Amino acid sequence: TQLLEQSPQFLSIQEGENLTVYCNSSSVFSSLQWYRQEPGEGPVLLVTVVTGGEVKKLKRLTFQFGDARKDSSLHITAAQPGDTGLYLCAGGGGNKLVFGAGTILRVKS
Amino acid sequence: NAGVMQNPRHLVRRRGQEARLRCSPMKGHSHVYWYRQLPEEGLKFMVYLQKENIIDESGMPKERFSAEFPKEGPSILRIQQVVRGDSAAYFCASSPYHGQVGNQPQHFGDGTRLSIL
Repeated sequence: TQLLEQSPQFLSIQEGENLTVYCNSSSVFSSLQWYRQEPGEGPVLLVTVVTGGEVKKLKRLTFQFGDARKDSSLHITAAQPGDTGLYLCAGGGGNKLVFGAGTILRVKS
Repeated sequence: NAGVMQNPRHLVRRRGQEARLRCSPMKGHSHVYWYRQLPEEGLKFMVYLQKENIIDESGMPKERFSAEFPKEGPSILRIQQVVRGDSAAYFCASSPYHGQVGNQPQHFGDGTRLSIL
């Protein structure tokens, strides 16, 4: 069974701070996706990383896929209150996506 | 340009009743996935369907749960004789093609929150 573990589970920071959240597995995934989910809404895809070692940037967000394709990280620079939400990583596994439990991020102004 | 539409957004049922959750995929999408989410947890895969076919139902409980995606109309997730443990948010996602699942963007609806009294 493929599992994805995300850390930390919860993160509360001040506006302007930097942060990194992690997504780890003992399994190799062909790709990893990162989603952000706000209360009462569905997850929204942020990025897909496919190649081991790949780095993608989306404005203040930087995503990295580990060389062995077993882990990924999301780094946010100068966090803003609008970044508040649940961040989920998901790995492709056969016919389905395997999701981590998520990191709840709260950015205080 | 409507996204994935799920209804109802909230559904309250008493124990023993039936719950029907509907999902209309994005226009042009023929692949539908259903997931269940408990509070402050990630999403758990339930079933993957194409038009008129169940492709993978490995995440579906063996009893009381069924899903369909008819040639015409929305995909339906049906839960018979609901119990308190069925209370959760149920999300539907669609994609235009399958390929390597992890490489294909899945577009999610805003979910149906099911509460069992």
